[in-house]
Amino acid sequence: GENVEQHPSTLSVQEGDSAVIKCTYSDSASNYFPWYKQELGKRPQLIIDIRSNVGEKKDQRIAVTLNKTAKHFSLHITETQPEDSAVYFCAASNNTDKLIFGTGTRLQVFP
Amino acid sequence: GAVVSQHPSWVICKSGTSVKIECRSLDFQATTMFWYRQFPKQSLMLMATSNEGSKATYEQGVEKDKFLINHASLTLSTLTVTSAHPEDSSFYICSASGPNSDTQYFGPGTRLTVL
Repeated sequence: GENVEQHPSTLSVQEGDSAVIKCTYSDSASNYFPWYKQELGKRPQLIIDIRSNVGEKKDQRIAVTLNKTAKHFSLHITETQPEDSAVYFCAASNNTDKLIFGTGTRLQVFP
Repeated sequence: GAVVSQHPSWVICKSGTSVKIECRSLDFQATTMFWYRQFPKQSLMLMATSNEGSKATYEQGVEKDKFLINHASLTLSTLTVTSAHPEDSSFYICSASGPNSDTQYFGPGTRLTVL
């Protein structure tokens, strides 16, 4: 079955710096890769997603890149702000509707 | 759009009792709903997938007789934790996706504490 690895587990950055979170997946049939942000005690919120027919997608300060050959995808947050502090999860799906989640990255942005 | 609600937001129960958690899609028809369990500082673990009108598909290691799932309509799925024990204490989150969509929208979660 699909396995998704996520790194790093924790990430601390200064406000204004960039943050990058990386995920690798094992199932070459996976074709949908969402990223979720979860604040403490709250629901995961979809922040961006990418499909396998696209290599990069950007939404304001957030971008995601996908390398199908290497089977990895990354989340890039630029000009980080304290409110970006949260746990970020990557996930992968292969048309089964089922999402397999990474282990999460705790991002802390220090003012 | 794509709002999912969950009720209750938290529940405390005695060991041996059953607890029902509701998950509703408020503004779209959820053909598929998912139930996850999340332990503190850990990732989301998929428990089961349910499609409206059919039996839920449980992940390996999840007891179907312990975690009863019903998806009776396109806007409602329920998870019943039967004969709850302290080890069942956890954060339970549902998600829903619409027809022809693989995007999942999550409910706010239910924190279950079994004494």
